[in-house]
Amino acid sequence: AAGVIQSPRHLIKEKRETATLKCYPIPRHDTVYWYQQGPGQDPQFLISFYEKMQSDKGSIPDRFSAQQFSDYHSELNMSSLELGDSALYFCASNERNLGQGIYEQYFGPGTRLTVT
Amino acid sequence: LAKTTQPISMDSYEGQEVNITCSHNNIATNDYITWYQQFPSQGPRFIIQGYKTKVTNEVASLFIPADRKSSTLSLPRVSLSDTAVYYCLVGDGYGGSQGNLIFGKGTKLSVKP
Repeated sequence: AAGVIQSPRHLIKEKRETATLKCYPIPRHDTVYWYQQGPGQDPQFLISFYEKMQSDKGSIPDRFSAQQFSDYHSELNMSSLELGDSALYFCASNERNLGQGIYEQYFGPGTRLTVT
Repeated sequence: LAKTTQPISMDSYEGQEVNITCSHNNIATNDYITWYQQFPSQGPRFIIQGYKTKVTNEVASLFIPADRKSSTLSLPRVSLSDTAVYYCLVGDGYGGSQGNLIFGKGTKLSVKP
């Protein structure tokens, strides 16, 4: 079965650089969620999109922005990177339109971002 | 979302049944109880979700007492590959909720040979 695809899987950036993470949800899924997990931490919700519109916003820094495109893929843009942004970034998706329980989300493998 | 409390860690041996209990005293009428499993450096994986009584799937069982103030995830005959962090989440999975998962401190299960 198709899964959530994230790219790149690993990314190394320097402080103050920018980074773009991509997420391709499972086909027919209309909702995308972004989570950040720092070393030894629990996943933290950043932002979500439903039908290409921002649905909810969590602890996403102002330096970060995201969007969902017409093909439902999503991109997380991160600027002025800081050392503390080093983390695993997960994308998850589900199909809210068909009443799928919104707490049943399918996670991608994550992008490991290292800021030096 | 209702606040949840679960043990920080648990140890078990291969072949044993493991029960992880989660307390959620402030659970609301519309809230569902959902459990996720996370292996190191991997995304969380949905295990099971329930509202009341007992739910069973191919992976686990979820026991929810009548007052719904707690729930127990039961993993039958664990193996080394069940070593992971298990998260209990409680919230309204339908209707007006936005659906973002609020992960608390999960339970780190270590299965030994």
